[in-house]
Amino acid sequence: NAGVTQTPKFRVLKTGQSMTLLCAQDMNHEYMYWYRQDPGMGLRLIHYSVGEGTTAKGEVPDGYNVSRLKKQNFLLGLESAAPSQTSVYFCASCRWTEQETQYFGPGTRLLVL
Amino acid sequence: SQQGEEDPQALSIQEGENATMNCSYKTSINNLQWYRQNSGRGLVHLILIRSNEREKHSGRLRVTLDTSKKSSSLLITASRAADTASYFCATDLNDYKLSFGAGTTVTVRA
Repeated sequence: NAGVTQTPKFRVLKTGQSMTLLCAQDMNHEYMYWYRQDPGMGLRLIHYSVGEGTTAKGEVPDGYNVSRLKKQNFLLGLESAAPSQTSVYFCASCRWTEQETQYFGPGTRLLVL
Repeated sequence: SQQGEEDPQALSIQEGENATMNCSYKTSINNLQWYRQNSGRGLVHLILIRSNEREKHSGRLRVTLDTSKKSSSLLITASRAADTASYFCATDLNDYKLSFGAGTTVTVRA
């Protein structure tokens, strides 16, 4: 099992450019999450999904969109990147009904110039 | 807003010593979890304690939960260099989401 994988690992964008971050999990988990981590602030929830075809806003959703067309994939999109979106992005998944622990991907480091 | 707050923000100890960090939270919880993050890596789950439990052990880890004080502590005994990492508490409000604190950075000196 690969667990949770994230693509790409690192990306540099110019202000105004768009990109999509891909998260994939092979554990048949229902729930998936996108977080951003900034120095000294821990993890903040951007968007999450409780099942295929569903999405919901988290704590800091502005400037991001998500889609969950397949159960194993959760995409995070930035339509017009801003320097404030420079961060490390983590995806996580869990089964919740059996155990509430989340499994994290290795992260995507994004730099917006 | 973040539910949990860890204290201290940073901790430096000698190998073999114990490390204790605390987490305080604001509202009633379903359970509280602790995660570890090694530099540049994703978070890894360490231990979960439910709201009706007071203490839990896992190897060299001991977690306590005091719901009356809305606080938890994580104790790492006989620390090793490999324990150097950031440690985060996360609270489950029973709404399918976790709220993470800002973390405690632990450095274990050889």
